Amino acid sequence: DLVMTQSPLSLPVAPGQSASISCRSSQSLVYSDGNTYLTWFQQRPGQSPRRLIYEVSKRDSGVPDRFSGSGSGTDFTLKISRVEAEDVGVYYCMQGTHWPPTFGQGTKVEIK
Amino acid sequence: EVKLVESGGGLVQPGGSLRLSCVASGISFSNSWMAWVRQAPGKGLQWVANINTDGSDKSHVDSVRGRFTISRDNAKNSLYLQMDSLRVEDTAVYYCARDPHFAAVDHWGQGMLVTVSS
Repeated sequence: DLVMTQSPLSLPVAPGQSASISCRSSQSLVYSDGNTYLTWFQQRPGQSPRRLIYEVSKRDSGVPDRFSGSGSGTDFTLKISRVEAEDVGVYYCMQGTHWPPTFGQGTKVEIK
Repeated sequence: EVKLVESGGGLVQPGGSLRLSCVASGISFSNSWMAWVRQAPGKGLQWVANINTDGSDKSHVDSVRGRFTISRDNAKNSLYLQMDSLRVEDTAVYYCARDPHFAAVDHWGQGMLVTVSS
């Protein structure tokens, strides 16, 4: 299976500061149709996951514009600008280009 | 409002069976690919299986293939996961999910705990 590697695994951030999470895949995530199926999810404590970003950089409706996704090929980044208390949780990247879909290990974001 | 409501979880002995159900509302269920994703206690997310709109195309990950079967009933807006020959390592919260396109799940259920233990 394709391996997704996130770093860091733990990310303490002061309120108002920015945070970046890296996600690297063991193979290119570019599909034969030219699209890249890389998704970011947020899982707040005690809740189900929530999709934030799909196809690398497309932000879901209702997701604050503080969240942005970027990258290409095998290297991807989720950036959270101006971190707020409600951003606490675990963030997962996931690839859907290759079967089976696989997730990164998760990055725990906490407030300093 | 989209709702995916799972049921059928619980405690089962190793080697036993369980059937999870998920009832969907607020979405066009018959036009939606659906999936099951699980999360072991304190661990990350793992894709389990997905199914196309009419149930004719199903895929299961290697670790459950031959033991778990995903299915659906569009007349009942329902998704199922039949789990047989359960193992301790199958212990997890199982999420019902809508898979709109290449596993980019846009709606999740609240999750259902399955515990496999003697």
